[in-house]
Amino acid sequence: AQSVTQPDIHITVSEGASLELRCNYSYGATPYLFWYVQSPGQGLQLLLKYFSGDTLVQGIKGFEAEFKRSQSSFNLRKPSVHWSDAAEYFCAVVPENYGQNFVFGPGTRLSVLP
Amino acid sequence: KAGVTQTPRYLIKTRGQQVTLSCSPISGHRSVSWYQQTPGQGLQFLFEYFSETQRNKGNFPGRFSGRQFSNSRSEMNVSTLELGDSALYLCASSRDRVGYGYTFGSGTRLTVV
Repeated sequence: AQSVTQPDIHITVSEGASLELRCNYSYGATPYLFWYVQSPGQGLQLLLKYFSGDTLVQGIKGFEAEFKRSQSSFNLRKPSVHWSDAAEYFCAVVPENYGQNFVFGPGTRLSVLP
Repeated sequence: KAGVTQTPRYLIKTRGQQVTLSCSPISGHRSVSWYQQTPGQGLQFLFEYFSETQRNKGNFPGRFSGRQFSNSRSEMNVSTLELGDSALYLCASSRDRVGYGYTFGSGTRLTVV
């Protein structure tokens, strides 16, 4: 079945440590790819997006993501996590020929230890 | 510039009632999408409007409907509310295609009792 998976439901890291959040999708063609972040009680904020070209994408707040076609993955990374990064992170795809709507992954909740 | 504004922020309704939620997109944005977020089902697409026309629709029952006005403001309506409709309803707007990126509002938290 076509889907977006985020294998980690909850991740805890120490402040200053590196972070990698995983995202895999199962659509035939390369979809548009996005990462969003949601703080408690808030809407979604776009971190970065990939449509084509360079497979390493830079986003806001020091985040980056790498698209790997062979693995159908779009993992989010940050070299040094700050306490303010604690939030829920959602990977989203817009599959080719699928209209203009997102298919979201289930989300990964990030906790940051002081 | 002003972001996507959703009103009201919180709403409590009784089963069987109907509810209307409002979304004002960013100025110049013509595409408005609605999503339902619940702990069990996550984020699910409801529908998308562009220039007053429904361009895409998700897999929700007919009790969920929406519309878009000439100023791009959008409303969604849920009739005959069920307990399972309790959710955070998020609206997002974009200039046109998804390529421009969608900006989300803070949502309306609907509780059905």
